[in-house]
Amino acid sequence: KAGVTQTPRYLIKTRGQQVTLSCSPISGHRSVSWYQQTPGQGLQFLFEYFSETQRNKGNFPGRFSGRQFSNSRSEMNVSTLELGDSALYLCASSTTAETGTEAFFGQGTRLTVV
Amino acid sequence: QKEVEQDPGPLSVPEGAIVSLNCTYSNSAFQYFMWYRQYSRKGPELLMYTYSSGNKEDGRFTAQVDKSSKYISLFIRDSQPSDSATYLCAMIPYGQNFVFGPGTRLSVLP
Repeated sequence: KAGVTQTPRYLIKTRGQQVTLSCSPISGHRSVSWYQQTPGQGLQFLFEYFSETQRNKGNFPGRFSGRQFSNSRSEMNVSTLELGDSALYLCASSTTAETGTEAFFGQGTRLTVV
Repeated sequence: QKEVEQDPGPLSVPEGAIVSLNCTYSNSAFQYFMWYRQYSRKGPELLMYTYSSGNKEDGRFTAQVDKSSKYISLFIRDSQPSDSATYLCAMIPYGQNFVFGPGTRLSVLP
């Protein structure tokens, strides 16, 4: 059974650009959550989608957005990139309507903003 | 005060030692408790999941939850060099999303 797949694995962008990251959940999983991981702040919740609807949102500026497609694949977008957006972006998928239980993470996309 | 505090580490132990990793939390609404292991340049991997006070054992790993004290622990018996990683505790209030601890980096020396 394939795990959570995130693409691309690595990205280098310039300040002011925008970026789109992709996450394919485990087959049958309908919940996808996104997290930002930095050495200083640790893992911070961005947002969570279930059946194409955003159910929860973390405390991030509006430059961070996401969506989920009918096949449960999800994308997140960051516009007007800032140096502080450099981080490992992780997505996690789970089966249940109850958010968060037994979530499985992808390998992450490491974004570097220069 | 952060919602979830975790022993900062780093922690170095000899191979075969018993390791104790700990988290405390302040939100009594947390219902589910998890431990994740994260190797360098990898995503977190779920190790243990529990929703009640008490102990849960899985091989060399034991998760302990004390809701009255708002304290959770992960014990690793007979630690191996392959256990060297960052360990993250995570908690969820019902209907919401994960809150992670900052992580403890563990090194098991051969």
